[in-house]
Amino acid sequence: EAGVAQSPRYKIIEKRQSVAFWCNPISGHATLYWYQQILGQGPKLLIQFQNNGVVDDSQLPKDRFSAERLKGVDSTLKIQPAKLEDSAVYLCASNGLGVEQYFGPGTRLTVT
Amino acid sequence: GEDVEQSLFLSVREGDSSVINCTYTDSSSTYLYWYKQEPGAGLQLLTYIFSNMDMKQDQRLTVLLNKKDKHLSLRIADTQTGDSAIYFCAENNQGGKLIFGQGTELSVKP
Repeated sequence: EAGVAQSPRYKIIEKRQSVAFWCNPISGHATLYWYQQILGQGPKLLIQFQNNGVVDDSQLPKDRFSAERLKGVDSTLKIQPAKLEDSAVYLCASNGLGVEQYFGPGTRLTVT
Repeated sequence: GEDVEQSLFLSVREGDSSVINCTYTDSSSTYLYWYKQEPGAGLQLLTYIFSNMDMKQDQRLTVLLNKKDKHLSLRIADTQTGDSAIYFCAENNQGGKLIFGQGTELSVKP
């Protein structure tokens, strides 16, 4: 079974630029999560989707971050415009009917 | 509120047992998890325990849960150099999102 796929793996941008990350969850997994992991910290949830609907986006900085999962499968997370403090690893995770949540390899974003 | 605390570092000798500790605050959490993160990699699910269990064993891993004290531990028997990584404890809330601790860096010396 293929795992959670994410791209790109690394991205370097200047502040005020835009960036987008892509995630393809494990086949059949209805729930998809985006987490932000700042260096030296544990991951923190940004947004949770159930199929193509948003379950929890209370921690998403909506003035600059947006996410969508239009067909209930893959998802895109966008930052526009980026700030220096957005430098982090962005992790996508998914789970199906069970309680196990599986993570992708992450996208490491550096904002200069 | 939701908060998960872990000690930051643990150093052990190869072949010894490692015990990584975690405390959490949300008594309504139904599952508690241990994840492993190697440098430059995502999080690998190691094991999880249902909140009405006291113990779960899976090969070299033993999870102990003290629900009264909201204390979770992960014991790794016969620790190997390949076990060197950051270990995260996490609790889930009713909606499914995971609340993570800040991670414990395990260093295994030969």
